[in-house]
Amino acid sequence: NAGVTQTPKFQVLKTGQSMTLQCAQDMNHNSMYWYRQDPGMGLRLIYYSASEGTTDKGEVPNGYNVSRLNKREFSLRLESAAPSQTSVYFCASSEWGLVAGFSYNEQFFGPGTRLTVL
Amino acid sequence: DQQVKQNSPSLSVQEGRISILNCDYTNSMFDYFLWYKKYPAEGPTFLISISSIKDKNEDGRFTVFLNKSAKHLSLHIVPSQPGDSAVYFCAATQSNKLIFGTGTLLAVQP
Repeated sequence: NAGVTQTPKFQVLKTGQSMTLQCAQDMNHNSMYWYRQDPGMGLRLIYYSASEGTTDKGEVPNGYNVSRLNKREFSLRLESAAPSQTSVYFCASSEWGLVAGFSYNEQFFGPGTRLTVL
Repeated sequence: DQQVKQNSPSLSVQEGRISILNCDYTNSMFDYFLWYKKYPAEGPTFLISISSIKDKNEDGRFTVFLNKSAKHLSLHIVPSQPGDSAVYFCAATQSNKLIFGTGTLLAVQP
């Protein structure tokens, strides 16, 4: 099992260019997530997909779009990249559910994509 | 408004000693908490978790304590090893999402 895979690992863009970050998981999880990590800011949720066919905004969705292509794949698109989008992007997946009445949500993360926008 | 806070950006301890990483939260509706560990150039990996009906959960060298009245949890690593040097994130479950803290960089000195 590869777990969660992300492509590319590194990318440099110029302001205004577009690109799509790809994510795939082989754990048959229903839920998938996109985060960005910036120094001193922790992991901030950009978008998530609770199940195939649904997507929802997270904490910092502006400037991004997502597509849940199928149960395995969840892509993140930057339509017009800006320097403020320079970050490390992580994809995650989980099988969220209630366990003994608690919201259990152990997420599994990919290795990340380091994006620089000049 | 940060709902999960890790007020110490960094911590340095000697090998063999105890490492204590702290986390505070503001939302009393959170009922499940997790700790993740992150090495440079890798994604975070799950370490240990605790539900709100417990005050302690132990897994080998790692123990998480939860104080609901203070809205505070801590991760104890005993004994600390150089391989434990990483960034540690605490997180709280909110429905089908995780709310992460800003992380604490732990450096274990040989």
